[in-house]
Amino acid sequence: DTAVSQTPKYLVTQMGNDKSIKCEQNLGHDTMYWYKQDSKKFLKIMFSYNNKELIINETVPNRFSPKSPDKAHLNLHINSLELGDSAVYFCASSSRTREETQYFGPGTRLLVL
Amino acid sequence: GENVEQHPSTLSVQEGDSAVIKCTYSDSASNYFPWYKQELGKRPQLIIDIRSNVGEKKDQRIAVTLNKTAKHFSLHITETQPEDSAVYFCAATDSWGKLQFGAGTQVVVTP
Repeated sequence: DTAVSQTPKYLVTQMGNDKSIKCEQNLGHDTMYWYKQDSKKFLKIMFSYNNKELIINETVPNRFSPKSPDKAHLNLHINSLELGDSAVYFCASSSRTREETQYFGPGTRLLVL
Repeated sequence: GENVEQHPSTLSVQEGDSAVIKCTYSDSASNYFPWYKQELGKRPQLIIDIRSNVGEKKDQRIAVTLNKTAKHFSLHITETQPEDSAVYFCAATDSWGKLQFGAGTQVVVTP
């Protein structure tokens, strides 16, 4: 059940701080994603990496910067946190970008005060 | 881009009854349609998926149907049980390979 893992599970921080969320998958997949789930449960893709290359970059503020050191890891760094960034962030992975099942991590619950 | 609409937003059923959730999509190039179940505080988990070369797929009490002409697909849960209570999301891949999710359906199964 730890195929896709994220740390930390919970993150409570002040406005204006910078924070990072880490994601790792041991499924041998080559594509990884970041999703944001807001308070209304809507799941929206933010970024996708394939073999360490950025392939999907939705219209998110440039305060959000993903980094993929290798194809098993995709981290998300957020600068100058704002109240509206409070959400659950899910990492996911798949073996290809299209028509392939995406497996989600457990989520990181971010609360900005 | 792809737009996925999901209905209803909430669904209350008696245990043992059936539940049906419907989704429509806009991108005619979409050809992969997964359904995810998300229990409270947990991650979305795939329960069933269907590809565009198939019209129907069944897995025990869960079935999915796809009508490519009308651009809609549905999830059917038969003999519902309390543990089926969760938020269910439909999704469709768009031309760029992105998975676009519906807004979710909160299913409540009452004993």
